Amino acid sequence: GAVVSQHPSRVICKSGTSVKIECRSLDFQATTMFWYRQFPKQSLMLMATSNEGSKATYEQGVEKDKFLINHASLTLSTLTVTSAHPEDSSFYICSASGTGGLQPGELFFGEGSRLTVL
Amino acid sequence: QKEVEQDPGPLSVPEGAIVSLNCTYSNSAFQYFMWYRQYSRKGPELLMYTYSSGNKEDGRFTAQVDKSSKYISLFIRDSQPSDSATYLCAMIGSSASKIIFGSGTRLSIRP
Repeated sequence: GAVVSQHPSRVICKSGTSVKIECRSLDFQATTMFWYRQFPKQSLMLMATSNEGSKATYEQGVEKDKFLINHASLTLSTLTVTSAHPEDSSFYICSASGTGGLQPGELFFGEGSRLTVL
Repeated sequence: QKEVEQDPGPLSVPEGAIVSLNCTYSNSAFQYFMWYRQYSRKGPELLMYTYSSGNKEDGRFTAQVDKSSKYISLFIRDSQPSDSATYLCAMIGSSASKIIFGSGTRLSIRP
């Protein structure tokens, strides 16, 4: 299957700082990338959908000024958690879909980034 | 009512048993059905992908879709401890707009 690389896998930061997470599609063009948040033993919660070159579409209840998403190229999307607070601590996962023979709904996920805000 | 219902488990079975994981859904527009496997602290990986009703087999895994009952299943034969993970069902409509995930079933295979 296609490969999606997410970095960093783990980050610890102080409250009030900003953290950037990168998501890269390594062997296909990701026309659409998705960002999810996952709490322990719970399912994926979609935060936003980003299409290359367009503004991200945020799900209801997700603060777009808090979670900045950029999808400037067909292989890279970034999620920046601004002014992070302890309640932002979570597991963030990106996924991508795109060209190259992928079927509708055929997503490839990154390995996830565990954010801990002290 | 959630669009997709999935029993969260946990489900614990002995090694070698046949495992049955299921999801029900309410939106008849769903056309594509997926099963993802997620190991602890990792991103999900696509396990099975099916379109509309029917069965699909891949090694020890069989995905089954019954659109008339709005019910999908994943069967695992000869289960192994390495199959221990959370299994998420997912589905999407023909317009390919938004994928809806189930809550995931935690599966544990006892050696």
